[in-house]
Amino acid sequence: QVQLKQWGAGLLKPSETLSLTCAVYGGSFSGYFWSWIRQPPGQGLEWIGEIYHSGRTNFNPSLKSRVTISVDTSKNQFSLKLNSVTAADTAVYYCARGQFQRDYWGQGTLVTVSS
Amino acid sequence: QSALTQPRSVSGSPGQSVTISCTGTSSDVGGYNYVSWYQQHPGKAPKLMIYDVTKRPSGVPDRFSGSKSGNTASLTISGLQAEDEANFHCCSYAGTYTHWVFGGGTKLIVL
Repeated sequence: QVQLKQWGAGLLKPSETLSLTCAVYGGSFSGYFWSWIRQPPGQGLEWIGEIYHSGRTNFNPSLKSRVTISVDTSKNQFSLKLNSVTAADTAVYYCARGQFQRDYWGQGTLVTVSS
Repeated sequence: QSALTQPRSVSGSPGQSVTISCTGTSSDVGGYNYVSWYQQHPGKAPKLMIYDVTKRPSGVPDRFSGSKSGNTASLTISGLQAEDEANFHCCSYAGTYTHWVFGGGTKLIVL
């Protein structure tokens, strides 16, 4: 059974860097894209970016200048960094497996940006 | 402002059918057969219900079906059950620059 478990700081000040990690348990890490998606309070989902197990990345053009996604295949983990955060980055952040079918998701992490 | 347009809410009584629309453009929904639908209960992570416009993952009841016409994709839920009440999100591939876009979500209310 595939499980994604994510963690990271939940409270940030404006201009700080958001950092989250997602660990994959069960199933294969290779051969998949691994995604980050966020959901502001009371709003819809927004795709942030994705990384293939080889390290190839794709990003949302509106966030690309501030986003880094990396992978550690030795630990079956992938990570998200979003720099220079503002209140507009307050959201629940999810990690997920896949592109065309995101079939497994992490539990979500609420990240609040407040001074 | 989400890239794909969904109704804020739809409703139906148990046993009835409802359809949720997801309208985009020829650059996303209309241009590719890569629309997926996710069900999300409050406080929970989204769950994949439909992918590649019409395909159902194993374990998803056949009461859920997907279709597409032009720039609009649709999710139809037949034989509504109380546990279907949730938010539904559509997602489409949008090419090699934008990659992926979501709708704003639709709240399904089972009366």
